Amino acid sequence: EDQVTQSPEALRLQEGESSSLNCSYTVSGLRGLFWYRQDPGKGPEFLFTLYSAGEEKEKERLKATLTKKESFLHITAPKPEDSATYLCAVLPRNTDKLIFGTGTRLQVFP
Amino acid sequence: SAVISQKPSRDICQRGTSLTIQCQVDSQVTMMFWYRQQPGQSLTLIATANQGSEATYESGFVIDKFPISRPNLTFSTLTVSNMSPEDSSIYLCSVDSSGAVKETQYFGPGTRLLVL
Repeated sequence: EDQVTQSPEALRLQEGESSSLNCSYTVSGLRGLFWYRQDPGKGPEFLFTLYSAGEEKEKERLKATLTKKESFLHITAPKPEDSATYLCAVLPRNTDKLIFGTGTRLQVFP
Repeated sequence: SAVISQKPSRDICQRGTSLTIQCQVDSQVTMMFWYRQQPGQSLTLIATANQGSEATYESGFVIDKFPISRPNLTFSTLTVSNMSPEDSSIYLCSVDSSGAVKETQYFGPGTRLLVL
């Protein structure tokens, strides 16, 4: 069964304290892995798509990496405005339906 | 990227009533997706709506409870029928990126529903 697990469920960081969020997946053929940011009461905002192991993408303080079994979202020197829930989703082969993890709720304190 | 709007943005409804949520996209899209996000939970796919055909519902969701219309390539509605407090959720509309390769799905701002 296709499955996505994110850890930790919640993460509290001091401003400037770098860390990583994990997304582990089990899927019957990976077409793509997606990272989203979701602020409270809003829809998910697209961050990255990764397609193959070894691929990396960066945007400001965020960098996403992909292996054959997991993806990491690295946050370098986070700021309070990075506080949000970060969602990971996979797109299995032979379907157009994303499978979402439960998210990591990140809080960055000044 | 696609720009998606939803109406209403939020509503408070009485149990037993129905609410229709509208989703408008600024470009023509083939597939539209409706999700539910219950408090503190992740996204659950309700159904996929293609223009010109019946919506395809996921396990646990039925047409009588969540009828969907898809009259054209830029618009869809989701109705939550005979509501109960358990239907209190954020309802999200989503569309694929354009192109042959699915690069991402874009999401609307959501409709926050509270059923009393």
